[in-house]
Amino acid sequence: NAGVMQNPRHLVRRRGQEARLRCSPMKGHSHVYWYRQLPEEGLKFMVYLQKENIIDESGMPKERFSAEFPKEGPSILRIQQVVRGDSAAYFCASSLDRGLEQYFGPGTRLTVT
Amino acid sequence: DQQVKQNSPSLSVQEGRISILNCDYTNSMFDYFLWYKKYPAEGPTFLISISSIKDKNEDGRFTVFLNKSAKHLSLHIVPSQPGDSAVYFCATMKSSGDKLTFGTGTRLAVRP
Repeated sequence: NAGVMQNPRHLVRRRGQEARLRCSPMKGHSHVYWYRQLPEEGLKFMVYLQKENIIDESGMPKERFSAEFPKEGPSILRIQQVVRGDSAAYFCASSLDRGLEQYFGPGTRLTVT
Repeated sequence: DQQVKQNSPSLSVQEGRISILNCDYTNSMFDYFLWYKKYPAEGPTFLISISSIKDKNEDGRFTVFLNKSAKHLSLHIVPSQPGDSAVYFCATMKSSGDKLTFGTGTRLAVRP
């Protein structure tokens, strides 16, 4: 009964490169949420996706960030042309049928050098 | 615009005593309030929740209290155990399945 999987756990990118973060939800879950935690801050919502649809992207920066959750495969958070300010822990969570409880993955720690 | 605030960044409690973690919010439209626990290098883990129609919910050693008029909720852990040492986040949700809005967290240390 695997939980939410995220990979890679650690990712180092140089400024200007692209970062791809993957999230496999719990089995049977079709709702995925991405959150970002900057150093010494709480988690902040980025985007909410259901299979093949973006439901709420109100927390996504307008440029360089995109997310998808295809019919098959993991959800992907993509950051183009990374900058130092993108260094953070990125967490995804999944839920079953818009349930109250969201189950979080272990996070991907992105470091931009 | 921090809608959910945890004004105490840290709390230290003796093992066996009660831990009380506090959280204030500004938006009266929230329907659900949740507490998450987070260990270093791990994702948050759901602890307990309460809906806006209730003022108390209890689960084992954990009790959450909601005071809607004061826009305040608290988490009580009794008795506290060393394994409870972690960062605790309160979070709010406008409706079931909606995004979570997190507070900034309180680091709890339970001394043996």
